[in-house]
Amino acid sequence: ELKVEQNPLFLSMQEGKNYTIYCNYSTTSDRLYWYRQDPGKSLESLFVLLSNGAVKQEGRLMASLDTKARLSTLHITAAVHDLSATYFCAAEKLVFGKGTKLTVNP
Amino acid sequence: DAGITQSPRHKVTETGTPVTLRCHQTENHRYMYWYRQDPGHGLRLIHYSYGVKDTDKGEVSDGYSVSRSKTEDFLLTLESATSSQTSVYFCAISEFGLESPLHFGNGTRLTVT
Repeated sequence: ELKVEQNPLFLSMQEGKNYTIYCNYSTTSDRLYWYRQDPGKSLESLFVLLSNGAVKQEGRLMASLDTKARLSTLHITAAVHDLSATYFCAAEKLVFGKGTKLTVNP
Repeated sequence: DAGITQSPRHKVTETGTPVTLRCHQTENHRYMYWYRQDPGHGLRLIHYSYGVKDTDKGEVSDGYSVSRSKTEDFLLTLESATSSQTSVYFCAISEFGLESPLHFGNGTRLTVT
């Protein structure tokens, strides 16, 4: 049974700082997805990582995938308040982590 | 929202009553999914469909059934609602199965009293 674990579950950081969110999964998976959810809203697709070593970047966010370590990371560079949201990873599309609630403080 | 409409957006119902949630898409995507979102649990898959009349169970399918008689509509039915089914329900679609991301509807907030 595929399990997906994210950490941390809560992250409070200051603007301008860097941080990484980790997503571990329990069985072989070649596909990893990252989503963003604003409070009270739906989920929005951020990144689709389809192979080992895949790296994708959009603005201050960069996602990577290491299928051998069963690990994906979402790196935040020089955080800004607009990045405050909950971030989910999902393996094989169907199994989601519990989410990381990110709060960026001025 | 990628042409996905969920209805109703909010519903309050009593324990033991049947409830049907509707997901309608205008994208002609083959794959459709129902998830529930609960605090501390993230999103959990209830059922999914890979074509008309083709459906399968997800992680938390007990107490739920689905139907897909047309490409554009995917219905989720709670046969006899219980308080544990109070949740936010999201419908999602995807074009190419596992190679493409999910696009989510706006959700239905269901309260079972």
